[in-house]
Amino acid sequence: EDKVVQSPLSLVVHEGDTVTLNCSYEVTNFRSLLWYKQEKKAPTFLFMLTSSGIEKKSGRLSSILDKKELFSILNITATQTGDSAVYLCAVTSGAGSYQLTFGKGTKLSVIP
Amino acid sequence: IAGITQAPTSQILAAGRRMTLRCTQDMRHNAMYWYRQDLGLGLRLIHYSNTAGTTGKGEVPDGYSVSRANTDDFPLTLASAVPSQTSVYFCASRETDRGNSPLHFGNGTRLTVT
Repeated sequence: EDKVVQSPLSLVVHEGDTVTLNCSYEVTNFRSLLWYKQEKKAPTFLFMLTSSGIEKKSGRLSSILDKKELFSILNITATQTGDSAVYLCAVTSGAGSYQLTFGKGTKLSVIP
Repeated sequence: IAGITQAPTSQILAAGRRMTLRCTQDMRHNAMYWYRQDLGLGLRLIHYSNTAGTTGKGEVPDGYSVSRANTDDFPLTLASAVPSQTSVYFCASRETDRGNSPLHFGNGTRLTVT
């Protein structure tokens, strides 16, 4: 059975702090790893990673994948209260038809 | 604005009643999905469709059915609702099922079965 595990489950930081969110996985026939941000409603797409060691960056957010050790990290620098959300990690895997398995998410709270 | 529309936004339903959650996308995506999201359990796949005319079962399919008569629409039906189906339901789509494109989500339907 495919597994995606995120840590920590929740995190409280002060504005300006840097945070690192973790995602490890055990899947058959890995295809890609995706990060999403979920505030009140729908998860919104952040990054998709397919190759090890190549950092994806968007503003203060960045992410990298290690396919040998089977994990990814999401970094957020200079956090703001608007970064408060649940961050979801998902892995696409399978053969023929690729399905996504989601982790349970990390709830990030940024306090002023 | 291109995207996924789900209806209704929320619903309270008596146990034993039949309910269809609607999902329409205008991005011409081939693959569509239904997830339920529950506290502590995360997002779990109910059913999926890789292309119009085909459907498949996900992790938690019991009590639910889907159809995919055309590319745009992917309704989810609860034949006889039970309280354990109280959840937030998300419809999602992506260009193909090949795993190299991101999933896009609708805004969800909050369903309460009493």
